[in-house]
Amino acid sequence: NAGVTQTPKFRILKIGQSMTLQCTQDMNHNYMYWYRQDPGMGLKLIYYSVGAGITDKGEVPNGYNVSRSTTEDFPLRLELAAPSQTSVYFCAEGAGDEQFFGPGTRLTVL
Amino acid sequence: AQSVAQPEDQVNVAEGNPLTVKCTYSVSGNPYLFWYVQYPNRGLQFLLKYITGDNLVKGSYGFEAEFNKSQTSFHLKKPSALVSDSALYFCAVRDYRRGNNRLAFGKGNQVVVIP
Repeated sequence: NAGVTQTPKFRILKIGQSMTLQCTQDMNHNYMYWYRQDPGMGLKLIYYSVGAGITDKGEVPNGYNVSRSTTEDFPLRLELAAPSQTSVYFCAEGAGDEQFFGPGTRLTVL
Repeated sequence: AQSVAQPEDQVNVAEGNPLTVKCTYSVSGNPYLFWYVQYPNRGLQFLLKYITGDNLVKGSYGFEAEFNKSQTSFHLKKPSALVSDSALYFCAVRDYRRGNNRLAFGKGNQVVVIP
């Protein structure tokens, strides 16, 4: 099993552009999460999902959207990129106490 | 809200010496506590967790953590540090009040093991 895969690994966007960060898991777990990691700030939860068709906001949802049409996929959408969204984005999944993280997407907005 | 604090930014330790990474928690109810490690350019990896039971929890790669209720602490320890232990370490607590297996993470501690 590959666990959690994220694409792309790196991306540079111009202000106002949009993009989708892809996340796929092959563990058939219900819970999935999107975090952003900024230096010295730890991880902040953007959105999470408890199963297909169910999503909810985390701590920092503004400027982002998600969908969960299948158990496997949990894409994160940025509609109007802003410099404040420059960060490293991690997708995670879990079935109980532990969360399993993908390798991350490093996004720069210029 | 449930939260954890990691008071130090960076921990420097000589190879072979004991390593301690500090974490204190603030929760209502019973704490479910976790430690994760992040190696450069990688996602976080689970190290260990405390749910109930023994206050000393053993985890991956020779790490252990001691739960201390009176001091509201959950410090991560390793008796003899390796250069390969150099990484970013995160303490986390399950945030039940927000529901659904959410974790609240500390800001992280950079550990540098000096050869």
